[in-house]
Parts: sequence; C-alpha cells; structure tokens
Amino acid sequence: EVLLLESGGGLVHPGESLRLSCAASGFTFSSYAMTWVRQAPGKGLEWVSTISGSGGSIYYADSVKGRFTISRNNSKNTFSLQMNSLRAEDTAVYYCARDSQWLAFFDNWGQGALVTVS
Amino acid sequence: EIVMTQSPATLSVSPGERATLSCRTSQSVSNNLAWYQQKPGQAPRLLIYGASTRATGIPARFSGSGSGTEFTLTITSLQSEDFAAYYCQQYYKWPPLTFGGGTKVEIK
Repeated sequence: EVLLLESGGGLVHPGESLRLSCAASGFTFSSYAMTWVRQAPGKGLEWVSTISGSGGSIYYADSVKGRFTISRNNSKNTFSLQMNSLRAEDTAVYYCARDSQWLAFFDNWGQGALVTVS
Repeated sequence: EIVMTQSPATLSVSPGERATLSCRTSQSVSNNLAWYQQKPGQAPRLLIYGASTRATGIPARFSGSGSGTEFTLTITSLQSEDFAAYYCQQYYKWPPLTFGGGTKVEIK
C-alpha cells in the first residue's frame, strides 16, 4: 500500500521560514516524481512544485519560485519543501503527491499539512 | 499557461440521478486530462486519467470523455458518497500544471 505522510506544518509569521517533509512507503520511491500541491482555505487546488525521481529535474510555480526549494532523499524515501519568506497568501493545506510513473497526474496523495502565515 | 474552466461551480443533484460536469481548457491538451474527487477534510483522490481511463478501484458509474479542449465527467446514479468537489487537471503542457476551479456536487 502506498503511504504518504506529511509533517512540519504550523503557524509562522510573514517573512519566516518553514520546512515540510513527506515520508513515502509502499513503492520504489526513486522511480517516481513527487509533487507538492496546495489548497488555500475554501479554494481550489494549486500546483506548487515537482521533483523528478532522480532529483535532477525540478519545477516551480511562479508564485513560489525563488522562495521555495524542493528536494528529496531517495535513501530515506523522503522529500521536502523548504519555504522561505512566507507570505499570508501562502496559507494553505499542503499535500504531497506521487506522480504517475510516466505522466504528471497524481495517483496517490498525503493527508495534508496546514501552513498558516499570520 | 493553460487555463482550466470548470462549470458549473455548483451542481445540485438528487441521489440516483446523473451528474454531468464540464471542463474546458484554453488550448488543446489532447487527452492529457485527469479528474479528482475531494471530500471535505480529505485529500483529493484520482478518478480519471487520460481523459477517460478510470483509476484503480474507481466504480464504473464514473466516466470521462472528451479530447482537445472540451471534457466531461459523468456520474451515473449518484450515491451518497459521491457528493463532493471535483477538479480537472491538465498535464499536457507544463510547467505549470494547472487545475480547474472545481465543481461542487451537492444534494438537491
């Protein structure tokens, strides 16, 4: 069974930093790209960042480029999102998700981690 | 950026009836479109990919159709557990990956 478990959410002030992590199990982690998707309160889904299985390819939404950094540790089956210079508009539930093996849709999701910037 | 437009924003349907949800894209995405279901307080769940292929474990009452810029998610004979929000997502041209604004299916 594929399991994704986020950690690291919380309340921070504007301008501060926070690091989210996602622990994966139940599949060959290094074979899959992984993604962060967020959802502001009462709003829709917004793609944030994707990292390839090897970590060699990384993509960001314009809204977070230069402030957020995605990374992964294939030996520990984890990936992370370092969020710096946080803004009120970054307040959201952040989901980690597994990309399908060849295409960028998401076949498994974590339960979400709430980040509040206030 | 490919803009996704879902309609209607809210759909009121009686249990046992059919629901038809629409997703339009600002340019062709071929069949590179996925649908997700999200219940309150839960993570999204993949329903459909490739515009019409059901994901593992998804009941046959969910079906997807369309290609190019016009897509439809149909739920036949709505069950109580189907009342939720539904989102479409394109993965044809990215970054960025983009989602529609969602359709909430509520009980009539």
